[in-house]
Amino acid sequence: SQQGEEDPQALSIQEGENATMNCSYKTSINNLQWYRQNSGRGLVHLILIRSNEREKHSGRLRVTLDTSKKSSSLLITASRAADTASYFCATETSGSRLTFGEGTQLTVNP
Amino acid sequence: GAVVSQHPSWVICKSGTSVKIECRSLDFQATTMFWYRQFPKQSLMLMATSNEGSKATYEQGVEKDKFLINHASLTLSTLTVTSAHPEDSSFYICSPGTSGRAILADTQYFGPGTRLTVL
Repeated sequence: SQQGEEDPQALSIQEGENATMNCSYKTSINNLQWYRQNSGRGLVHLILIRSNEREKHSGRLRVTLDTSKKSSSLLITASRAADTASYFCATETSGSRLTFGEGTQLTVNP
Repeated sequence: GAVVSQHPSWVICKSGTSVKIECRSLDFQATTMFWYRQFPKQSLMLMATSNEGSKATYEQGVEKDKFLINHASLTLSTLTVTSAHPEDSSFYICSPGTSGRAILADTQYFGPGTRLTVL
């Protein structure tokens, strides 16, 4: 069964707005990663946050990690239509083996 | 450039045939290769982990006799779907383990995926 649960499952916003996606997990982790996947395509690695980090930024992306609550959030600021994709969190427990969340389908309307 | 390649990128086959998917690690040696499966509108599920020079380990519920994995070299792992059926239609994605890389070890790379359609 999937360790990660994401919410919302689907998110539709207007261009320029911020998008926030959440991820929860169940076991201890080494790190948590966020990925993007365009329809029918491969995965694109967005950002990795280690278990001893609380927040990380990369361009318009901001990721937080709360290990006490076993949760993470991905914030995309000033969204663009090109950000439309599925976003997955994935937790690494050991040896680069990843467990993926259910994913959030983000639609950014122009 | 691509770090991991997969071939073929898509394949359509008749029920009962076998399909081989190749995954190559282009920039580094991969002692471990993870194979994931993704059904439409679903997340990725780890199927099995191949290990160079030894037997693969399979996740619960994945039939090892149906999904044959070979990891004969440090740069090539193959997944063969034997006697494929329509329910095997899925997107198969490989990802090399990070232990063979000295730099950017935290970045997990994935192959571009192989879309299998079984008629």
